[in-house]
Amino acid sequence: NAGVTQTPKFRVLKTGQSMTLLCAQDMNHEYMYWYRQDPGMGLRLIHYSVGEGTTAKGEVPDGYNVSRLKKQNFLLGLESAAPSQTSVYFCASSYGTAYNQPQHFGDGTRLSIL
Amino acid sequence: TQLLEQSPQFLSIQEGENLTVYCNSSSVFSSLQWYRQEPGEGPVLLVTVVTGGEVKKLKRLTFQFGDARKDSSLHITAAQPGDTGLYLCAGVWGTYKYIFGTGTRLKVLA
Repeated sequence: NAGVTQTPKFRVLKTGQSMTLLCAQDMNHEYMYWYRQDPGMGLRLIHYSVGEGTTAKGEVPDGYNVSRLKKQNFLLGLESAAPSQTSVYFCASSYGTAYNQPQHFGDGTRLSIL
Repeated sequence: TQLLEQSPQFLSIQEGENLTVYCNSSSVFSSLQWYRQEPGEGPVLLVTVVTGGEVKKLKRLTFQFGDARKDSSLHITAAQPGDTGLYLCAGVWGTYKYIFGTGTRLKVLA
């Protein structure tokens, strides 16, 4: 009963380093999302995907790239990490049209950029 | 730009008290969802309200969607320590766009 799995759970990077966060879902959901959560800011959408091979920008996309080569996976990349990208990152997925569907979240990746 | 404002931001109450959390926007949403988040975990859906004026009850929690589908409230009756957590509202635009509120951090003291 995995649902949405995020790896890694924690990571510390130095400014300028790159890394990829992996999100995997086993619910056959079409839609997948990447959010960042900062104190007092709620969840802000970075990028999202409405199906395999498609991606779109969300509210705060700068400094991030994404790929959805397989339906079950959604990758978030940081090409050159900056301290402002220190945050907790959440991946979510949902089924079909979302107006009455829940988003299922992973447990997050806590990322610190020094 | 944050389109959903939640109030209060923080709330600390004694066990047994009642409380209301508000979620307000100038935008009209297709539906509105409420989530609860525990430390170290992702948000978990509590309820979805779809129709303007709709009221849904989940045990001691009552959710209401405003008539104009721009605002919502969450009322908890006789709060318990297990209700402690971060409560997030999320407005749904169209078929797949979600906007999350700023969150209300609730602490219920025994």
